[in-house]
Formats: sequence, C-alpha cells, structure tokens
Amino acid sequence: NAGVTQTPKFQVLKTGQSMTLQCAQDMNHNSMYWYRQDPGMGLRLIYYSASEGTTDKGEVPNGYNVSRLNKREFSLRLESAAPSQTSVYFCAGFSSGRGTHEQFFGPGTRLTVL
Amino acid sequence: QQQVKQSPQSLIVQKGGISIINCAYENTAFDYFPWYQQFPGKGPALLIAIRPDVSEKKEGRFTISFNKSAKQFSLHIMDSQPGDSATYFCAASRSSGTYKYIFGTGTRLKVLA
Repeated sequence: NAGVTQTPKFQVLKTGQSMTLQCAQDMNHNSMYWYRQDPGMGLRLIYYSASEGTTDKGEVPNGYNVSRLNKREFSLRLESAAPSQTSVYFCAGFSSGRGTHEQFFGPGTRLTVL
Repeated sequence: QQQVKQSPQSLIVQKGGISIINCAYENTAFDYFPWYQQFPGKGPALLIAIRPDVSEKKEGRFTISFNKSAKQFSLHIMDSQPGDSATYFCAASRSSGTYKYIFGTGTRLKVLA
C-alpha cells in the first residue's frame, strides 16, 4: 500500500496563478483533511471531508477550495495564489478502531508563491 | 477554547538525557491526546496517544503523562538518542463526529551525540 500520496512535491507559483494540489489514499479512509504547516504555527486545518461527497471548512479556509472527487481522492485548489499561501501543505486520512484513532499524513507539498 | 499550547518551542538535550515537552488545552470535551513525530522533509507520524482515563502511558522510551485536573499532558523521551531529533507535535481531539485534531505549535528537538 502506498498510504497517502501527494503531488506535486514542490511547486513555485507567481501571485495570481492557480493550481490544484492532489491527494490520494489507498487505506480506505472515510475522512480526509488538508493542513498547512508554517514555522511557529504548527499544523492548521484548511478543509476536511468527513465522507465522500461532503466537505467543510477548517480553521484557515480563505483562499482555498476543495473537492472530494471520490473516496480515494481529495484535492485542494488555490484559485489566485498569494505570497501568504507560501507553506508546506499536508493531506491526511483518518482511521479508527479498538478505542484508538489516527490521522495518516502524506509527504507534503512545498509551495512557494512569488 | 480550541487552542492547544505547546512548550518549549525548541529543545536541546544531550544523548542519554530526558526530553520533556509540555502541552495544555482548554476544551474539556477533548478526550484523545496524540503525539506526532516529524522528521525533516516528511509528514508527521503518530508516536503515542493517551485517553484521559489513564494518567500515564508508556511505549518503549516514550511516555505520556496526563493531568486531567490541570488540563495538561506531556511527552517524556527517556535515554534520548540522536535519532530522536525531530519536531514533535501534541494534539487534542474528540472521539466522535469529525475527529478534527487541534495541533500544538510544535517543538524542535535536537539530541546531541
């Protein structure tokens, strides 16, 4: 199993450009999440999807949109990139069982907006 | 009420020493407290987690201590090794609904050889 995969690994955009970050999982997760990680800020939730066909805003949704295309795929779109969106973006899937639960993270996409 | 406060921001420990990272939360509805470990260039990975019905959980050299009345929990790394050098995040969540995790701001640990 590949787990949670993200593409691309690195991306440089100019202000105003758009792009879509892709996330796919083969762990049969119902719930999926998008985070951004900035120095000193920890991991902040952008959007999440509790199940296929549903999405909801997290802590920092402004400037982003998401699509839960199917159970496996959850994409994050920046319609008009801004320098403040320079960050490392992580996708995660969620599993629970036997009194425990865990979010499984992908390897991240490092995005720079000039 | 949704914040999880983590300290210190960075920590340097000698090999063989004890590393201690602290977290505090406000929302008493939280009932699951995981710690994640992140190496440079990688995504975070679950290290150990605890529920508030126990005061301590140990897995190898890693121990979580939990103080429900103080709404605090901490990660202790015994016999710290250079391979433990990483960023550590505490988190808090509810075990129902959307299972959203609220993460602390992270602690960068460096263990000197």
